[in-house]
Amino acid sequence: AQKVTQAQTEISVVEKEDVTLDCVYETRDTTYYLFWYKQPPSGELVFLIRRNSFDEQNEISGRYSWNFQKSTSSFNFTITASQVVDSAVYFCALSELGRDDKIIFGKGTRLHILP
Amino acid sequence: DTGVSQNPRHKITKRGQNVTFRCDPISEHNRLYWYRQTLGQGPEFLTYFQNEAQLEKSRLLSDRFSAERPKGSFSTLEIQRTEQGDSAMYLCASSLGQGPGGYYEQFFGPGTRLTVL
Repeated sequence: AQKVTQAQTEISVVEKEDVTLDCVYETRDTTYYLFWYKQPPSGELVFLIRRNSFDEQNEISGRYSWNFQKSTSSFNFTITASQVVDSAVYFCALSELGRDDKIIFGKGTRLHILP
Repeated sequence: DTGVSQNPRHKITKRGQNVTFRCDPISEHNRLYWYRQTLGQGPEFLTYFQNEAQLEKSRLLSDRFSAERPKGSFSTLEIQRTEQGDSAMYLCASSLGQGPGGYYEQFFGPGTRLTVL
């Protein structure tokens, strides 16, 4: 069965520190997509990244980077030099190709960046 | 604004009443999804449409829930005889669906927050 686990319920770091959000997933399929979404206090889900299961290259986008390790079924997200505006709930998610692309979300990690 | 819109943004109702929410997807998107998010949880898939056809329904969608997408444009989600456990954020998303290019992103609306008293 599909499952996404975000073991960190809540994290607090001081501004400018680096922080890594963990994500572990379970799937029976060999073809799938992994996602990270941000949900700021306003409530709207903001798409951050999608990763295809065949592409294990790490990705960097500004202060954000993602580490996809198929061997450990993990897709971790690192924010470098965190800022107060990064405070939000972050969701890791999974979608299996051929399953009508519905997205299975983890429970989220609430990130507090303290000034 | 060309994003996904949802109305109303907030709804407070008494237990036992019926409520209806509306979602207007991005105009060229043929897929439309409904998710439910309860406090402290991630969104959970409820159902989705390919054009006007409802193709999948989650077991979370009890008989009191019904969704429609007439003419393949906007969609409505109705909850009959609301219960306190229905209190949640109801999210709508739309996408171009799957195609030769592979996967297409789901774009989420701002959600409708339902409170059942």
